[in-house]
Amino acid sequence: DAKTTQPTSMDCAEGRAANLPCNHSTISGNEYVYWYRQIHSQGPQYIIHGLKNNETNEMASLIITEDRKSSTLILPHATLRDTAVYYCIVSTAGNKLTFGGGTRVLVKP
Amino acid sequence: GAVVSQHPSWVICKSGTSVKIECRSLDFQATTMFWYRQFPKQSLMLMATSNEGSKATYEQGVEKDKFLINHASLTLSTLTVTSAHPEDSSFYICSAKSPYSNQPQHFGDGTRLSIL
Repeated sequence: DAKTTQPTSMDCAEGRAANLPCNHSTISGNEYVYWYRQIHSQGPQYIIHGLKNNETNEMASLIITEDRKSSTLILPHATLRDTAVYYCIVSTAGNKLTFGGGTRVLVKP
Repeated sequence: GAVVSQHPSWVICKSGTSVKIECRSLDFQATTMFWYRQFPKQSLMLMATSNEGSKATYEQGVEKDKFLINHASLTLSTLTVTSAHPEDSSFYICSAKSPYSNQPQHFGDGTRLSIL
């Protein structure tokens, strides 16, 4: 599976949009981009995933560049409960997920 | 949304005992389940892939005789930590995936295992 690179940490203001970048320059044509988050002492929570097109659901939006070498997860209105470690993972459908270090997001009031 | 239940959520045992952790997919059939381990301040590390009705596939460095995995039905996989020792203390997390290729994995809430 392709490797991903994410910033180690970032702070966000409550109520503002949070934009989380992810680089995956070695992504293959059949690999999806998955985003999960892990709140302290809980299992990872699925957020969103996509292959080529931008995706949106009730939690977030996923913007994938045309060359698919990077993506951005957007939390439209960050709340304090969005404080978590966010993982960007690239994998083929149904395959195992390899977790990197993720981005530690702290939402501040 | 898809729900994966893990039990127990927390267990403390004496060294040398065996501990069984259950992972259930509550509202979908999971042909594949995955078991992860997470040490404090570290990321999740995949231990093994469990396919219903067949032997589990273990990641390099994970002892299959130490961590017994059974996936006897489409909704249940179990991980047994045999003869547990303090170094096995960790946060164990399972995930489950439906047979439909466009569906993501969903994770349980984890089991915190402490061996005294």
